[in-house]
Amino acid sequence: DVKVTQSSRYLVKRTGEKVFLECVQDMDHENMFWYRQDPGLGLRLIYFSYDVKMKEKGDIPEGYSVSREKKERFSLILESASTNQTSMYLCASSLLQYGYTFGSGTRLTVV
Amino acid sequence: ELKVEQNPLFLSMQEGKNYTIYCNYSTTSDRLYWYRQDPGKSLESLFVLLSNGAVKQEGRLMASLDTKARLSTLHITAAVHDLSATYFCAVETSGTYKYIFGTGTRLKVLA
Repeated sequence: DVKVTQSSRYLVKRTGEKVFLECVQDMDHENMFWYRQDPGLGLRLIYFSYDVKMKEKGDIPEGYSVSREKKERFSLILESASTNQTSMYLCASSLLQYGYTFGSGTRLTVV
Repeated sequence: ELKVEQNPLFLSMQEGKNYTIYCNYSTTSDRLYWYRQDPGKSLESLFVLLSNGAVKQEGRLMASLDTKARLSTLHITAAVHDLSATYFCAVETSGTYKYIFGTGTRLKVLA
């Protein structure tokens, strides 16, 4: 089975801190995605990547950046965390059209 | 812009009953996915539907896709408590491997 691992399940950070969320997949998938999930707003795409060193903005990229230096790893960076970035962050990977595999999620609280 | 709507948003049903969740989407797509999410957990893949008329079944759940009507259904047969969860459909924006998720249907099966 494909495994997508997110480095932290729960994270508490202070306003203004730089925050790194790490995601690693072990099945050589080309496509990787970062979503955030908020009550009443559903899942919204932040950034995605189809290949190493390649990134594209999703629907809500403001305040975030990403890095994909190796195929298996896709990092989400909050440059200066703010309270409105408190959310559940979900990483996913996929191979062609065969559907996403999600990581276990990181619940981030910014205080 | 692709929009994905699910209904109902909330569903409370008795064990043993049948029900259907509907997923409508606004633009052409041949690929639709169903996911399950338990409280506090990430999303788990249920079904991958890749063509018009596709039907998949797993246990008490059956999913179908009508691309001409832009409609997918998730049918629950003889519900049991273990099916209590939130169910999401997701539609791929044509040729991009990016998904737009529905709002989710929170299902509660009462004993």
